[in-house]
Amino acid sequence: GAVVSQHPSWVICKSGTSVKIECRSLDFQATTMFWYRQFPKQSLMLMATSNEGSKATYEQGVEKDKFLINHASLTLSTLTVTSAHPEDSSFYICSAAPLDTNSYEQYFGPGTRLTVT
Amino acid sequence: SQQGEEDPQALSIQEGENATMNCSYKTSINNLQWYRQNSGRGLVHLILIRSNEREKHSGRLRVTLDTSKKSSSLLITASRAADTASYFCATGLGDYKLSFGAGTTVTVRA
Repeated sequence: GAVVSQHPSWVICKSGTSVKIECRSLDFQATTMFWYRQFPKQSLMLMATSNEGSKATYEQGVEKDKFLINHASLTLSTLTVTSAHPEDSSFYICSAAPLDTNSYEQYFGPGTRLTVT
Repeated sequence: SQQGEEDPQALSIQEGENATMNCSYKTSINNLQWYRQNSGRGLVHLILIRSNEREKHSGRLRVTLDTSKKSSSLLITASRAADTASYFCATGLGDYKLSFGAGTTVTVRA
């Protein structure tokens, strides 16, 4: 149980285009999902907290108009990178916290590698 | 922002040996978690230790937490080639948000 999927697993896009990444909790409901980005050989940096039915909370320095987050249901959050540029190339990982637990465990997706050319 | 600092940055050991890595953090925490990441893949949750716990075991993993020193250690006993990965500590303040350390890259030689 507690599986989180991401789609696509990798994507290559041209500069100036937008890319949508989906994060789904497959066998549990999650009111809260998190989006991270990871540069090669570096740690995960939290970008934003996605709450079902409300606006996402962005970390300092993350442009909310560039990284659009939508958490439309208890099992799906999407991250759209708008007007992508080569510096947005990164590994994007989501995680989901189950609805009915106080264990503080969260489950991570397999990641999406974005390459902007 | 990253709160955890991990030491060492990289570790190379022989199969069968133990691997120890440390994590230090700066502020009070609710819990500390360890994750494993294989190259280019997502994170796998290994173990969570709460601030009122001092030691926890899970299979070949042993985690300690010293809140007075704001540090934690992860010990992997009898390492295997499959343990080759990056290991991250992450601190939680109780609201599910995690702050990750820089990670330790472990290479287990056959």
